[in-house]
Amino acid sequence: EPEVTQTPSHQVTQMGQEVILRCVPISNHLYFYWYRQILGQKVEFLVSFYNNEISEKSEIFDDQFSVERPDGSNFTLKIRSTKLEDSAMYFCASSDARVPGELFFGEGSRLTVL
Amino acid sequence: EDKVVQSPLSLVVHEGDTVTLNCSYEVTNFRSLLWYKQEKKAPTFLFMLTSSGIEKKSGRLSSILDKKELFSILNITATQTGDSAVYLCAVERGDDKIIFGKGTRLHILP
Repeated sequence: EPEVTQTPSHQVTQMGQEVILRCVPISNHLYFYWYRQILGQKVEFLVSFYNNEISEKSEIFDDQFSVERPDGSNFTLKIRSTKLEDSAMYFCASSDARVPGELFFGEGSRLTVL
Repeated sequence: EDKVVQSPLSLVVHEGDTVTLNCSYEVTNFRSLLWYKQEKKAPTFLFMLTSSGIEKKSGRLSSILDKKELFSILNITATQTGDSAVYLCAVERGDDKIIFGKGTRLHILP
């Protein structure tokens, strides 16, 4: 069964460093998302991406964050200068246009900022 | 401000019991309500509800939406230990943004 894959599964970084989280969405999906979940808290929307551009972003998604679809398969989230409060599980998700609410989530990338 | 509120936050029952999880919402430009199950890591999709009063069913799980009162319930009958998880309610807006509730942590005792 097709699935969303994310790498790395866990990354530990120093505050101020740049981090790139990678995702390979399901191949025929058109909508891509990043969510994050701080330990013990709710899943929070960061950004949605469609047709090679950001379609919606939350107030969390400030200038430190950027997304890219550099080729036909990868979807990346970059955090330019990490802060302690960026420590969280970051989930990539994708969906197709027929059932946009049915998100397929990756297993997540745990980011720990020291 | 849009919000999705789930109750209870946590629930412990014995195997075989029936549970009802609640979700209320205040969201502009409502498109659909979604239920997800989150076990160890990634949430997995359960249901999408768009119309009031129509029950969606999948095995022992069922869900219904009330768009007038702005809530949904998720029922699980004859619970099993494998049902232990966090159940997330989310609302999808017309601009594709999906807002999640904090989840209900369900623990099924053998």
